[in-house]
Amino acid sequence: EEQLVQSGGGVVRPGGSLRLSCEASGFTFRDYAMSWVRQRPGKGLEWVADINWNGGTTSYGDSVTGRFTISRDNAKNSLYLQMDSLRVEDTAFYFCVRDPMLRGYIDVWGRGTLVTVS
Amino acid sequence: VVLTQSPGTLSLSPGERATLSCRVSQTVNYNYLAWYQQRPGQAPRLLIYDTSKRPSGIPDRFSGSGAGTDFSLTISRLEPEDFAVYYCQQYSSSPTFGQGTTVEIK
Repeated sequence: EEQLVQSGGGVVRPGGSLRLSCEASGFTFRDYAMSWVRQRPGKGLEWVADINWNGGTTSYGDSVTGRFTISRDNAKNSLYLQMDSLRVEDTAFYFCVRDPMLRGYIDVWGRGTLVTVS
Repeated sequence: VVLTQSPGTLSLSPGERATLSCRVSQTVNYNYLAWYQQRPGQAPRLLIYDTSKRPSGIPDRFSGSGAGTDFSLTISRLEPEDFAVYYCQQYSSSPTFGQGTTVEIK
């Protein structure tokens, strides 16, 4: 079964940092682009960042550019999101997702991890 | 690119047909539009991609159609587990999502 297991959420003060991790299993991780999508509580979905199969290409949503960094370690089947200079408006559930096309549709979702900036 | 979903809430009974709309502010190239279902407390699930393609495991009561700027998701006969929130997403340009349509039990 294709799975994405997330860790690293929690509560952080405004201006602080947090690192999210996501470990993939059940598929060949290095064959896929990956992304992070977030959902503020009770709200809709927002694309945060994406990375191609080897980490050579990344892109970010306007609201996080310059503050968040997406990375991956194919040897560890893992995806990361380093979040710096956090703001109250970054409070959301963050989903690690598989993105077969790079910036395309999402076919596998992690369960989500809550980041609270307060 | 802005996606506008309508209606905001759809109140229907099990067994009825549901039609959800997604209007896009710019032409969607290559029919790059997807639909997701999100049940309470769960992550979204892919239902439809490339406007009308169903991933394996998605029941055939779900179908997608449309072109250009107007797209729709149809659920032919609502099952109890289909009452949820549905989102459309375009990936013709930088990916964006609609605000969601809630399908609730009447």
